[in-house]
Amino acid sequence: DAGVTQSPTHLIKTRGQHVTLRCSPISGHKSVSWYQQVLGQGPQFIFQYYEKEERGRGNFPDRFSARQFPNYSSELNVNALLLGDSALYLCASSLPGQETQYFGPGTRLLVL
Amino acid sequence: SQQGEEDPQALSIQEGENATMNCSYKTSINNLQWYRQNSGRGLVHLILIRSNEREKHSGRLRVTLDTSKKSSSLLITASRAADTASYFCATEKGTGNQFYFGTGTSLTVIP
Repeated sequence: DAGVTQSPTHLIKTRGQHVTLRCSPISGHKSVSWYQQVLGQGPQFIFQYYEKEERGRGNFPDRFSARQFPNYSSELNVNALLLGDSALYLCASSLPGQETQYFGPGTRLLVL
Repeated sequence: SQQGEEDPQALSIQEGENATMNCSYKTSINNLQWYRQNSGRGLVHLILIRSNEREKHSGRLRVTLDTSKKSSSLLITASRAADTASYFCATEKGTGNQFYFGTGTSLTVIP
């Protein structure tokens, strides 16, 4: 089975632009979480979606939004990009009731 | 802010030696997990220990948890060059998969 996939792998944007990152969970996984990992730090929780509903949100501004589709894939949107949004964005999926998360390879975003 | 803090931030050892890294966290937890990350890519789950467990083993990995001290340790025995990576502890709060990661320990195993 394919693991969690994310697209694109790399992305360069300029300040003020918006970006959409995509994630496809492992088949059968209904929970998707998003994390931001700034260079040299650990991942920070942004959102969790389960069955297309937001179940948790980290301490991120409203410029960050996400959604989950009927096929359980997910999009993370970031508006009005700032230089500080440059990071590796990780998506993780899990089975219902399972505590282990499976991570995708991430999307590396550079904001100039 | 990060939920946990790993110690040390960086660790360099010779192949065959044991590597120990520690994690401290701030609030009560349901479980604590350790993940590994190679070269800034996706994280790989290593081991989970629940709040009512004190020690757990998986292959060359040994994890301990002390909830009274809000700390955990990961021991990698007989290290290999392939163990070179960053290691993170993650705690789960609430009812969903909302993980809070520490700052990570960068392990270098010298062949």
